[in-house]
Amino acid sequence: ETGVTQSPTHLIKTRGQQVTLRCSSQSGHNTVSWYQQALGQGPQFIFQYYREEENGRGNFPPRFSGLQFPNYSSELNVNALELDDSALYLCASSLGAREQFFGPGTRLTVL
Amino acid sequence: EDKVVQSPLSLVVHEGDTVTLNCSYEVTNFRSLLWYKQEKKAPTFLFMLTSSGIEKKSGRLSSILDKKELFSILNITATQTGDSAIYLCAVELGGANSKLTFGKGITLSVRP
Repeated sequence: ETGVTQSPTHLIKTRGQQVTLRCSSQSGHNTVSWYQQALGQGPQFIFQYYREEENGRGNFPPRFSGLQFPNYSSELNVNALELDDSALYLCASSLGAREQFFGPGTRLTVL
Repeated sequence: EDKVVQSPLSLVVHEGDTVTLNCSYEVTNFRSLLWYKQEKKAPTFLFMLTSSGIEKKSGRLSSILDKKELFSILNITATQTGDSAIYLCAVELGGANSKLTFGKGITLSVRP
């Protein structure tokens, strides 16, 4: 059984740029959730995808967008990067509403 | 606003000690409470609790939920240096999606 994987591991961008982060869900899982974890904080829910449709969104602006593909992998896109977007971005997969399993995360630094 | 509060925020103990980590919550539509351990990056799943009073156990770790008083505890007995990590508590809300609302986490340091 393959766990949740994310790419890239680290990323450095400058303000105003755009970034795409990728997540492959665990085998058999059809739901992907994305979280942002700032230093010293717990993860904050960005949005969730279930069977390729957005299934709930947290308190993040529209420049945070996502996609889920037919194989249930997912992308998180962030446009017009700001310094405060620097964080660890975590992807979690689950089978519907069952327990979520997290990937290793992507560390994004915005300069 | 949904809220999850963990305490203490950090803790230093010696190997062999027993620790109790606390998590209280105020949410509108509770479905379950989850505990995760975060060492470097990926939070790893420990427990999911849905019913009051039923203890879940895994080796030296155990957890229990009180839905009347709106809290959960995570106990670790005979701590080891490998238990050093951030322990995250999250509440899953009922509804169309399984969004998790996390506390800030408890940083546990176990000294030899």
